[in-house]
Amino acid sequence: QKEVEQNSGPLSVPEGAIASLNCTYSDRGSQSFFWYRQYSGKSPELIMFIYSNGDKEDGRFTAQLNKASQYVSLLIRDSQPSDSATYLCAVLPSGSARQLTFGSGTQLTVLP
Amino acid sequence: GAVVSQHPSRVICKSGTSVKIECRSLDFQATTMFWYRQFPKQSLMLMATSNEGSKATYEQGVEKDKFLINHASLTLSTLTVTSAHPEDSSFYICSAREGQPNTEAFFGQGTRLTVV
Repeated sequence: QKEVEQNSGPLSVPEGAIASLNCTYSDRGSQSFFWYRQYSGKSPELIMFIYSNGDKEDGRFTAQLNKASQYVSLLIRDSQPSDSATYLCAVLPSGSARQLTFGSGTQLTVLP
Repeated sequence: GAVVSQHPSRVICKSGTSVKIECRSLDFQATTMFWYRQFPKQSLMLMATSNEGSKATYEQGVEKDKFLINHASLTLSTLTVTSAHPEDSSFYICSAREGQPNTEAFFGQGTRLTVV
């Protein structure tokens, strides 16, 4: 079982719609969760991080964390073509390793 | 966010030569730096973790003698791909973290290595 799982997509949504990206993780003791956006040929850039159960909103982005279900999601409201990218979920697991574990990413396409 | 500068952004080298990639934290002291490799349409694969002044910790399957990592200061880490081969062609990305493990890491721009 992969430690961090994401649907690879591609996920297509029309412009203005809500894009929902999902991520599950296997380490129940994981503490910190990050969403990165990666454009083709570029390095990832941090969008949001979340530590506590519930929702965290930043502009058009909302991260949702449910530790009981080991599930973290990213919602993008009013999606724009410029949001088209691969979204990487990253989890900081428990234990001494202490480095981020990345999912394989979900490719999002926002159609104009 | 903090700025991490990676250089060069692109490099083409001949098979058998060595290539050095630099990763600098410009406005913070990076206690920990990470080196990743990413093949097309795949996720980031952690190669090694380096802490300033100590030997890097390599992930399983990564040859430490082939991928030399030096983290000589709190603002600079280097990755040297020695005796490069075409299969080493990839996108190499560094990231740096300032403090505690639960803080976010910031990525460099990445280096596209092509070995011909």
